[in-house]
Amino acid sequence: QVQLVQSGAEVKKPGASVKVSCKASGYNFNGYYLHWVRQAPGQGLEWLGWISPISGGTNYAQKFQGRVTKTGDTSTSTAYMELTRLKSDDTAIYYCARDYEWLDYWGQGTLVIVSS
Amino acid sequence: DIQMTQSPSTLSASVGDRVTITCRASQTIFNWLAWYQQRPGKAPKLLIYEASSLESGVPSRFSGSGSGTEFTLTISSLQPDDFATYYCHYYKNSYTFGQGTKLEIK
Repeated sequence: QVQLVQSGAEVKKPGASVKVSCKASGYNFNGYYLHWVRQAPGQGLEWLGWISPISGGTNYAQKFQGRVTKTGDTSTSTAYMELTRLKSDDTAIYYCARDYEWLDYWGQGTLVIVSS
Repeated sequence: DIQMTQSPSTLSASVGDRVTITCRASQTIFNWLAWYQQRPGKAPKLLIYEASSLESGVPSRFSGSGSGTEFTLTISSLQPDDFATYYCHYYKNSYTFGQGTKLEIK
């Protein structure tokens, strides 16, 4: 069965960077884009961007361009999302999700807390 | 960018009720719309794709309709598990989500 398992919670100081991982199993990792979506406490869903694992191609939401980097490791079927220059309003749960045009499978989420 | 507007933001209903949630796009998105359910502390779960196609395993009391700029999600007879937050999602280009509708027990 398709599974996306994400790395554990992180606490970071403002200005630092965080790298979240998303390990895929149960399907051909190379065959599907992976998206990153975040949810601030008590708020709605916000799309960050996607990565094509096989080509390394990416598409970022304009708001995050220059601060987010997405990479993929096809040998371990793992995608990574790195967000730099963290601010307090980056505190959120970060989800990875598989692209089937719509987002059909989601990871369990990774809580990132940005606090001094 | 295309904006997605859901209404209402909060909906109070009882078990057995029929409820409808609306999602409007700022310009036509054809049928490139999905609906997700999110329970507290959980990841979103896909319910509907292509505006009206039911995801495998999702109960048939959930249905979606619409095309162009106006879409609806209907739950025909609310069950206790259905009290959650629902999001619409335009999944081309800008991948925009609606702001969510919280379905509460009356």
